[in-house]
Amino acid sequence: DVKVTQSSRYLVKRTGEKVFLECVQDMDHENMFWYRQDPGLGLRLIYFSYDVKMKEKGDIPEGYSVSREKKERFSLILESASTNQTSMYLCASSPAGPLGANVLTFGAGSRLTVL
Amino acid sequence: KQEVTQIPAALSVPEGENLVLNCSFTDSAIYNLQWFRQDPGKGLTSLLLIQSSQREQTSGRLNASLDKSSGRSTLYIAASQPGDSATYLCAVLNEKLTFGTGTRLTIIP
Repeated sequence: DVKVTQSSRYLVKRTGEKVFLECVQDMDHENMFWYRQDPGLGLRLIYFSYDVKMKEKGDIPEGYSVSREKKERFSLILESASTNQTSMYLCASSPAGPLGANVLTFGAGSRLTVL
Repeated sequence: KQEVTQIPAALSVPEGENLVLNCSFTDSAIYNLQWFRQDPGKGLTSLLLIQSSQREQTSGRLNASLDKSSGRSTLYIAASQPGDSATYLCAVLNEKLTFGTGTRLTIIP
């Protein structure tokens, strides 16, 4: 069964801490994405990557960075966590092609609370 | 700017009934539309993807239709079961992928 695996399901961090969210996919997909999901706001795209070492800003990249050193792994980094970054973070992947042109496969999500 | 609306936000239906979930979008120049299911505290599972040239897609008890000209899609679920309880989201692709906020469906045994 193909999967997108997010390493942490629940995290609690303090304001100012550096936070790493890891995502690994085993489908050999070229595209990988990070979304955040908040009540009433739906899913918003933070960053995406269409190839190793390539990244593109999404709709809300401020306060975040990403790393894609290997095809299967896409990391989201919060350099200095703030309370307004408390959210559910969802990683997704898809085969090569324009964003959304192919079916997205999502991970189970990482719920981050920043105190 | 594309806006995607799903009304109602929540729906409760007795087990066994057929039901329809709605998705409306403001910009009809889309490439495709996807329907997803999300269980509480979990990620999204893709259910159906309809290309702009298609009118509908079917998978088991699910049937999704697309009417680009009116900016609407519906997800029809036949013979609903308690296991169908989840939040259903649609997402529309034009120059970017825009998600609706979902309809939370509860099937009452």
